[in-house]
Amino acid sequence: NAGVTQTPKFQVLKTGQSMTLQCAQDMNHNSMYWYRQDPGMGLRLIYYSASEGTTDKGEVPNGYNVSRLNKREFSLRLESAAPSQTSVYFCASTKGGLNYEQYFGPGTRLTVT
Amino acid sequence: AQSVTQLGSHVSVSEGALVLLRCNYSSSVPPYLFWYVQYPNQGLQLLLKYTSAATLVKGINGFEAEFKKSETSFHLTKPSAHMSDAAEYFCAVTNPDSSYKLIFGSGTRLLVRP
Repeated sequence: NAGVTQTPKFQVLKTGQSMTLQCAQDMNHNSMYWYRQDPGMGLRLIYYSASEGTTDKGEVPNGYNVSRLNKREFSLRLESAAPSQTSVYFCASTKGGLNYEQYFGPGTRLTVT
Repeated sequence: AQSVTQLGSHVSVSEGALVLLRCNYSSSVPPYLFWYVQYPNQGLQLLLKYTSAATLVKGINGFEAEFKKSETSFHLTKPSAHMSDAAEYFCAVTNPDSSYKLIFGSGTRLLVRP
């Protein structure tokens, strides 16, 4: 039981390049989330998917797109990376309903130069 | 709208001393509250959660937190700090009106001195 997995663990991009961050969970959870973590700002929600087939914007969605590929997988895409997107990105999942404890992946450290 | 305020970005205690990390929340409806811990270069792990049952909540590793509605607080405590408690701690709030989206505080880094 791997929980929530994220790939890659580290990535360096040049301004304007694109990339997709992958996330998968094996807990049969309904809801999945993408956060970014910046020093002194806690975690901020980028996008979330309450259930398979739905996605919604969070607090800081600009510059990102997401795809809920199936119940297990939720990807985050940066179409044209900017230095302001340098951050640590975390994926999380929760069973949903009244069980709302979120389980987090190990994170992806992204640097945009 | 919901919000979370964590007082003190850094807290330093001696090994064996009381740990107190402060969290105040704002929520227009009864909240659900969480404390998460993040060790260096890792994701977040749940320490404990309040979901409208007992106001004193016990979590892992000897931590506990008390929900005080009158003070809109959910402070995290541990009677005796251990070196392994050094980490960053995040308070978070959610409620049914927000589709259970978590709102995080800015975090408190706990340093434990030998």
